[in-house]
Amino acid sequence: DSGVTQTPKHLITATGQRVTLRCSPRSGDLSVYWYQQSLDQGLQFLIQYYNGEERAKGNILERFSAQQFPDLHSELNLSSLELGDSALYFCASSVDGVFGYTFGSGTRLTVV
Amino acid sequence: DAKTTQPPSMDCAEGRAANLPCNHSTISGNEYVYWYRQIHSQGPQYIIHGLKNNETNEMASLIITEDRKSSTLILPHATLRDTAVYYCIVRVGGYGQNFVFGPGTRLSVLP
Repeated sequence: DSGVTQTPKHLITATGQRVTLRCSPRSGDLSVYWYQQSLDQGLQFLIQYYNGEERAKGNILERFSAQQFPDLHSELNLSSLELGDSALYFCASSVDGVFGYTFGSGTRLTVV
Repeated sequence: DAKTTQPPSMDCAEGRAANLPCNHSTISGNEYVYWYRQIHSQGPQYIIHGLKNNETNEMASLIITEDRKSSTLILPHATLRDTAVYYCIVRVGGYGQNFVFGPGTRLSVLP
């Protein structure tokens, strides 16, 4: 157990639907990062939050959004889902910017 | 943009040292070298990082050349559980700079 909790572990949904992925960072970590890993793209950085504020944005689609709440947990919202959104979605957290991130075990999203 | 070059795959015999190379010839003076690994479809796991000096922890050793243009991750006694994709990443320390994962090296530890 890395200390980063992601729920749900698996999610199957239909095209056009909307889902929410949840992440609880390690205790004491203020930063949360979201990554997408699909078979043909590898690990892609989506977005970073630090203490509730957006810090950096990567290749995140406009259909996707995220937020970090006062208790530091974060949610990634994916809407108007397409087949190509099927992927593993990882959340990571860190206490500062120098040391490595701690990743959660991921949410496997399947869009049918 | 890929800042590192790694061999796509390597094999290592169980119990032997696994030496994973990484080239980062364009590394800047303030960029660290980080190593992560990903076992099957689990979340990536941080292994080690360094700036100039060689580093060692309970998992591995990191050897950085004096000109910092390349490094080697050493797993001293590889086990079957070390079979994974290993990622070498260069990154400036601090917030706002995120880890860019390339294709990595797929290490297979053979019995």
